[in-house]
Amino acid sequence: KAGVTQTPRYLIKTRGQQVTLSCSPISGHRSVSWYQQTPGQGLQFLFEYFSETQRNKGNFPGRFSGRQFSNSRSEMNVSTLELGDSALYLCASSSHNEQFFGPGTRLTVL
Amino acid sequence: KNEVEQSPQNLTAQEGEFITINCSYSVGISALHWLQQHPGGGIVSLFMLSSGKKKHGRLIATINIQEKHSSLHITASHPRDSAVYICAVDPARQLTFGSGTQLTVLP
Repeated sequence: KAGVTQTPRYLIKTRGQQVTLSCSPISGHRSVSWYQQTPGQGLQFLFEYFSETQRNKGNFPGRFSGRQFSNSRSEMNVSTLELGDSALYLCASSSHNEQFFGPGTRLTVL
Repeated sequence: KNEVEQSPQNLTAQEGEFITINCSYSVGISALHWLQQHPGGGIVSLFMLSSGKKKHGRLIATINIQEKHSSLHITASHPRDSAVYICAVDPARQLTFGSGTQLTVLP
């Protein structure tokens, strides 16, 4: 089976712009979670989707949003980008609670 | 106080040494995960534990639910084990992560 894929792998944006990141889970996995990793805060949970429904949301402002499609692919969107949004964004698909991580999207906000 | 505390933060070992990384947590959990992250960012799940002990090759993970403590052991360490090891707890499908242990194994 193919692993979790994320696109794009690298992204440079400027403050105030918005960005959409994509995650394709392992075939058959219905749960997708998103995480943000920064040098200062480490890894933090953003949200989790299961069968197109958001089941859990971390402590992030409303500028961070996501959705999941019927084929389990997921997108996350960050609007009005701030410098502090520069991070590695990871998604993971899971089966029976075991997490399989994608390679991440490295977002730089200038 | 962080919900997940890892120690040590940094660890340097000689090839062949036995290594232990510790993780303590303060919340009730359904599972605990040990993750490995190499330079470049890719994360690999090493273990998911809800009780007892698991072994995979030279890696062993244990958990004591009553004491809210887990350990990751690496036997006969090798330079390719150099990575960041991260403990994460799962209270309710929402992983909370430790700050990670940077392991460097010297040849």
